[in-house]
Amino acid sequence: KNEVEQSPQNLTAQEGEFITINCSYSVGISALHWLQQHPGGGIVSLFMLSSGKKKHGRLIATINIQEKHSSLHITASHPRDSAVYICAVRSGTGNQFYFGTGTSLTVIP
Amino acid sequence: KAGVTQTPRYLIKTRGQQVTLSCSPISGHRSVSWYQQTPGQGLQFLFEYFSETQRNKGNFPGRFSGRQFSNSRSEMNVSTLELGDSALYLCASRNQPGGETQYFGPGTRLLVL
Repeated sequence: KNEVEQSPQNLTAQEGEFITINCSYSVGISALHWLQQHPGGGIVSLFMLSSGKKKHGRLIATINIQEKHSSLHITASHPRDSAVYICAVRSGTGNQFYFGTGTSLTVIP
Repeated sequence: KAGVTQTPRYLIKTRGQQVTLSCSPISGHRSVSWYQQTPGQGLQFLFEYFSETQRNKGNFPGRFSGRQFSNSRSEMNVSTLELGDSALYLCASRNQPGGETQYFGPGTRLLVL
């Protein structure tokens, strides 16, 4: 049983398309993180959410605490957005992290 | 500010050996977390340190241990290595537990033969 489920697992988009990646979780959380991992392993923390919505450039992250669901949107996608996007949650007690298996995004020029 | 640094970047060991990995957080950051990433299991939380104290621990056997020094640098140790310990080990720092953003290091890629 996975505490964090992501969909889709793989996603291919044309440059310029609007992209949505979904994350559902089954545990009580204190925060949800969206991470980006490029080939080679480097991980960048994109957002930390505990409620509502955050926006950074072309990236938007939302969370619905009641439904235990978060989405990451990328507007006007670009080939440099190609990466694995990982959803992670910190448990409500704060002492555990759980990770989704990631969504591999490829944006084609 | 310099980013999170991890040493070594690559390591090959044989079963039964032990290994120590090092992580230097961003200057001023006092919280360091360690993660293991494998193709099969994905990312998994190992432990979190703050002010030289282990705050949280993931579901890993006692062969995995860590510590944090007064300068916030952290080490993790894996004893009696198994083939399944082959993974990318990542550390991340933040200014405090629960802080807004974690900054990840490049990772140490460990291969156990």
